[in-house]
Amino acid sequence: NAGVTQTPKFRVLKTGQSMTLLCAQDMNHEYMYWYRQDPGMGLRLIHYSVGEGTTAKGEVPDGYNVSRLKKQNFLLGLESAAPSQTSVYFCASSYLDRAVNSPLHFGNGTRLTVT
Amino acid sequence: LAKTTQPVSMDSYEGQEVNITCSHNNIATNDYITWYQQFPSQGPRFIIQGYKTKVTNEVASLFIPADRKSSTLSLPRVSLSDTAVYYCLVALTGGGNKLTFGTGTQLKVEL
Repeated sequence: NAGVTQTPKFRVLKTGQSMTLLCAQDMNHEYMYWYRQDPGMGLRLIHYSVGEGTTAKGEVPDGYNVSRLKKQNFLLGLESAAPSQTSVYFCASSYLDRAVNSPLHFGNGTRLTVT
Repeated sequence: LAKTTQPVSMDSYEGQEVNITCSHNNIATNDYITWYQQFPSQGPRFIIQGYKTKVTNEVASLFIPADRKSSTLSLPRVSLSDTAVYYCLVALTGGGNKLTFGTGTQLKVEL
């Protein structure tokens, strides 16, 4: 039981390049989230999904797209990377929604540098 | 959209009890309060969750007053390995499923 797995762990991009970050969970969770974390700041929500085939915007969605084609996978895409997107990206999942709260399970992050 | 508020940092010594308070004035009626711990280069890890009064598990206690506008994470007898950033998390009123994190409290434990 791996929990939440993020790939890749590290990546360096040049400005304007594109890439996709993959998040996979094996806990049969309905809810999945993408956060970014910058030095000295907390986690900010980029996008989230409340189930297969659904996505929604979080606090800082600009410059990112997401897809949830399969329940266990949540993909985060950067179409044209910018230096401002240099950050550590965390994926998380949870079993239930906020009304009947269940804890978030996090991956170990992807460190992205855009030069 | 209101945010949670925590102290930026706290220092302690091994063996002491540490209490970290989080303010969340706009917490919704159905929302739980959850605390996470994060070590460098790792994702946050669940510590404890509660709705009201007091909750205790093997690593921490969580105190929530009747108005639920704040909560206090209590770590008994901290050790060096408790040095980490601690986040309180609530789903704020009007936040949908957005589960907004605050900036966290950096706890430093020394000998």
